[in-house]
Amino acid sequence: LAKTTQPISMDSYEGQEVNITCSHNNIATNDYITWYQQFPSQGPRFIIQGYKTKVTNEVASLFIPADRKSSTLSLPRVSLSDTAVYYCLVGDRGSGNTPLVFGKGTRLSVIA
Amino acid sequence: GAVVSQHPSRVICKSGTSVKIECRSLDFQATTMFWYRQFPKQSLMLMATSNEGSKATYEQGVEKDKFLINHASLTLSTLTVTSAHPEDSSFYICSARQPGLDQETQYFGPGTRLLVL
Repeated sequence: LAKTTQPISMDSYEGQEVNITCSHNNIATNDYITWYQQFPSQGPRFIIQGYKTKVTNEVASLFIPADRKSSTLSLPRVSLSDTAVYYCLVGDRGSGNTPLVFGKGTRLSVIA
Repeated sequence: GAVVSQHPSRVICKSGTSVKIECRSLDFQATTMFWYRQFPKQSLMLMATSNEGSKATYEQGVEKDKFLINHASLTLSTLTVTSAHPEDSSFYICSARQPGLDQETQYFGPGTRLLVL
């Protein structure tokens, strides 16, 4: 079973900041939070990963509160090309044999 | 970053034939690879865990005799769909984890679109 819950879909206009929140109430101590982006007919692409507090890279920011029961992916100034499905996953980064279990993801539609 | 490739990118076959899909880690060695299947408008569903030099571990409901997995080397895992039927038509995606990498957990291949006529 997927360990995460996300909104099924979101709409946004170009240039806006988009925040997608994911719930993971049963996250384990060793679990990291990872977000992937998937375009139609392509494999998922890594966006960002974090354990706690805030992580930022050139693509997005990830906010994780102290209790780690949720996380928020923030995409600054989205464009039409950001239209995709975004998946939030939790898993033990230290265990190479443990696969990632995907939830339903959030389908983001960016409108001009 | 690490790259995972798949071949072919798409394949069309007749019902009853077998199809082999290759998954390669291009610049790293992967003792474990994972195979997923994705139907239209749905999420990725884990099919099996492919272990180098040993038998694959299949998820509940996935027929091991139908979906043969061979992980003969540290850079190659193959998925063979035997006696394919139209209901096997799907998007098959593999992934691999680069050992020791700090930033990322798993890299995914570009996927293989299978259409069984």
